[in-house]
Amino acid sequence: AQTVTQSQPEMSVQEAETVTLSCTYDTSESDYYLFWYKQPPSRQMILVIRQEAYKQQNATENRFSVNFQKAAKSFSLKISDSQLGDAAMYFCAYRVNNDMRFGAGTRLTVKP
Amino acid sequence: DGGITQSPKYLFRKEGQNVTLSCEQNLNHDAMYWYRQDPGQGLRLIYYSQIVNDFQKGDIAEGYSVSREKKESFPLTVTSAQKNPTAFYLCASSINRDRVGNQPQHFGDGTRLSIL
Repeated sequence: AQTVTQSQPEMSVQEAETVTLSCTYDTSESDYYLFWYKQPPSRQMILVIRQEAYKQQNATENRFSVNFQKAAKSFSLKISDSQLGDAAMYFCAYRVNNDMRFGAGTRLTVKP
Repeated sequence: DGGITQSPKYLFRKEGQNVTLSCEQNLNHDAMYWYRQDPGQGLRLIYYSQIVNDFQKGDIAEGYSVSREKKESFPLTVTSAQKNPTAFYLCASSINRDRVGNQPQHFGDGTRLSIL
């Protein structure tokens, strides 16, 4: 079964600084999709960024970018210019066909 | 507005009782999912359905049942066989991967289930 591993249960960053959240996954598939979701205290799941495995170019969405290393099965999220509103749980997710699996999450704290 | 509606927001179950969590979507999505989230943990897949009248077990299906009689609806029943049902339950939907693979899941606001 495919698995998603987030090795950092908690991370902390100073406001305006940059932080990187790690994610690795295990799969034998070649065609899949990767996502990062944010879950604030409201418990809503909010899509942050997505990456197609067949694309070599790393996805970027404003202050959020990924470092996708397909051979290493690594998909890290970089948050630049961190803001207080970025504080949340962040989940890495992996999708093959219609089966989607999530990591255990990283709790990000932003210090003013 | 299109979206996913989960109800109720809070639910209490007595010992030996079955309870049903509702999930309705008006996004015309083919696939629907149920996840369980325990405190400080990620989302674990209970069941998912790719089309009407078909569904597959996820990693923790024991003690749960689902139905998919309509495209818009995917209710989850927590049976008395589920001995530790206290958790936060999230429903999600997405376009079928065969049509558009990179589409993310859209989530409801969740239901918190507790044991009385």
